[in-house]
Amino acid sequence: DSGVTQTPKHLITATGQRVTLRCSPRSGDLSVYWYQQSLDQGLQFLIQYYNGEERAKGNILERFSAQQFPDLHSELNLSSLELGDSALYFCASSTSLDTEAFFGQGTRLTVV
Amino acid sequence: AQKITQTQPGMFVQEKEAVTLDCTYDTSDPSYGLFWYKQPSSGEMIFLIYQGSYDQQNATEGRYSLNFQKARKSANLVISASQLGDSAMYFCAMRASNAGGTSYGKLTFGQGTILTVHP
Repeated sequence: DSGVTQTPKHLITATGQRVTLRCSPRSGDLSVYWYQQSLDQGLQFLIQYYNGEERAKGNILERFSAQQFPDLHSELNLSSLELGDSALYFCASSTSLDTEAFFGQGTRLTVV
Repeated sequence: AQKITQTQPGMFVQEKEAVTLDCTYDTSDPSYGLFWYKQPSSGEMIFLIYQGSYDQQNATEGRYSLNFQKARKSANLVISASQLGDSAMYFCAMRASNAGGTSYGKLTFGQGTILTVHP
């Protein structure tokens, strides 16, 4: 168990819908990262927060947004979902920017 | 920009044998860290080992060791005494830092290598 908790584990939803993925980082970790893993794109960095502030953006679509709350948990919001958004979404956390990142178990999103 | 290349889509190894998974990287950043993660069929990503670009010695963690050759820009993972439970996808990843030494934080991943351990 990495100590990073993601909910839900599985999510099935229809095209055009909106979903929220939740992540609780390891206790004490200030940095939270979101990654998307799909068969065609592999593991792609989406966005990073550090102590509540957005720090870096990767290949994140405009339909996607995220935030990190004062208690350091984070949410990834995916809207106007398309079939191609079906993927495994990982949250990871680290104590600081240059320590190893520990991953949650992922949320498997299926858009039908 | 950073790039990680894993040229072996799949590898097979006999139980109790050693296996090397290849990873080459490309970056113009002055300092960086290299990571290996294991992803079993259940899907979770498990951190295995870390090597800093300025570390003088190769990293080791139990049966895992990282063969770091900076001039060749390679960071191969060596698994000794393979076990059936080692069958999984393995990812090499890199985290770079800017000229001031501040880490970017985010990881860039390779495409992964599927390792199958035969009894």
